[in-house]
Amino acid sequence: DSGVTQTPKHLITATGQRVTLRCSPRSGDLSVYWYQQSLDQGLQFLIQYYNGEERAKGNILERFSAQQFPDLHSELNLSSLELGDSALYFCASSVETGTGEKLFFGSGTQLSVL
Amino acid sequence: QQPVQSPQAVILREGEDAVINCSSSKALYSVHWYRQKHGEAPVFLMILLKGGEQKGHEKISASFNEKKQQSSLYLTASQLSYSGTYFCGTEVSGGSNYKLTFGKGTLLTVNP
Repeated sequence: DSGVTQTPKHLITATGQRVTLRCSPRSGDLSVYWYQQSLDQGLQFLIQYYNGEERAKGNILERFSAQQFPDLHSELNLSSLELGDSALYFCASSVETGTGEKLFFGSGTQLSVL
Repeated sequence: QQPVQSPQAVILREGEDAVINCSSSKALYSVHWYRQKHGEAPVFLMILLKGGEQKGHEKISASFNEKKQQSSLYLTASQLSYSGTYFCGTEVSGGSNYKLTFGKGTLLTVNP
């Protein structure tokens, strides 16, 4: 158990709908990262928040948005869903090791868009 | 830009060795290695900073050649528990914000 909690574990929805994925980082971790994992692209970095502020942005679509709340949990909002958005979405929090950020991944949310 | 991993997949018998490579077209500050078992989340293995250092973790070690922008992960005397997908993540030198970009992964299967 990494200490990072993601809910829900599975989500099935239809095209055009909007969903919210939730993540609670490990106690004390200020950073939250969101990754999308698909079979053909591997782990794609979406966005990072640090203590409520957006720190880095990756290949995140305009239909997707995220935020980190004062209690440090984060939500990833996906709207106008398309079939291609079906993927496993991971959240991670991190600790600075002195040589770099070590990521702890949650168990993921499997999103299926039908 | 996404680093390139090779091979895409490798099958071993217990006790055999394997090397997984990771290369980037950009100057790298660090390389990170993670392992993901089927149906589970990726788990941290190690971080290597520029300077060509080699780090070890049990029978799993890695090297980082800064000049070639390449890293290699070495698995020696493989065990069944080594099976999984190995991802390298790279952090680009000079980046203003921390951003770890992962390769597509190498699927390692260790058979009895």
